[in-house]
Amino acid sequence: DAGVIQSPRHEVTEMGQEVTLRCKPISGHDYLFWYRQTMMRGLELLIYFNNNVPIDDSGMPEDRFSAKMPNASFSTLKIQPSEPRDSAVYFCASKDLTDTQYFGPGTRLTVL
Amino acid sequence: AQKITQTQPGMFVQEKEAVTLDCTYDTSDPSYGLFWYKQPSSGEMIFLIYQGSYDQQNATEGRYSLNFQKARKSANLVISASQLGDSAMYFCAMREGNTGGFKTIFGAGTRLFVKA
Repeated sequence: DAGVIQSPRHEVTEMGQEVTLRCKPISGHDYLFWYRQTMMRGLELLIYFNNNVPIDDSGMPEDRFSAKMPNASFSTLKIQPSEPRDSAVYFCASKDLTDTQYFGPGTRLTVL
Repeated sequence: AQKITQTQPGMFVQEKEAVTLDCTYDTSDPSYGLFWYKQPSSGEMIFLIYQGSYDQQNATEGRYSLNFQKARKSANLVISASQLGDSAMYFCAMREGNTGGFKTIFGAGTRLFVKA
């Protein structure tokens, strides 16, 4: 079975541009999580969905960040406008009814 | 307040020896789950092992075992017979109770270096 798929793997953009990160969870998993990893703050949960519905978005840093899950096999995390401090690795993870989350390979975002 | 504490920023171990990576946690919820993930230099997060708060026995997965001491709120990872490929960052994480939904909190990590 394919694991969690994320695209793009690397993204370099300029400050002020819109950035969209994409995630395809493992088939059959009904929970999807977005994390951000930085050296300063470690791994932080941004938002998670259950059955395509956002359950907890308290980790979303500010209104410039938004996440959607239009169907069970696709989610996006959008940053508009992007800022240099948004540079990080963004991970998507999914899980089924068991406790274990499986992570995608991550998207390394650099905002110049 | 930090809920997951990994006190060892870096650890060295000789190849083929066992190593213990420390993790303590803080929660007042009786229901929780504890995890260890490995992050090699390539960057992916690899799930290693899981322990539920109600599990009576310590979890084991191959060369990995979790030394779960509930009263002390510790969940140390033991890697037996270290291999060079074990050199990586290791994260302890906790899924906190039903009231927290499935929010998972990660520790700051321990970087393990395996010496030949």
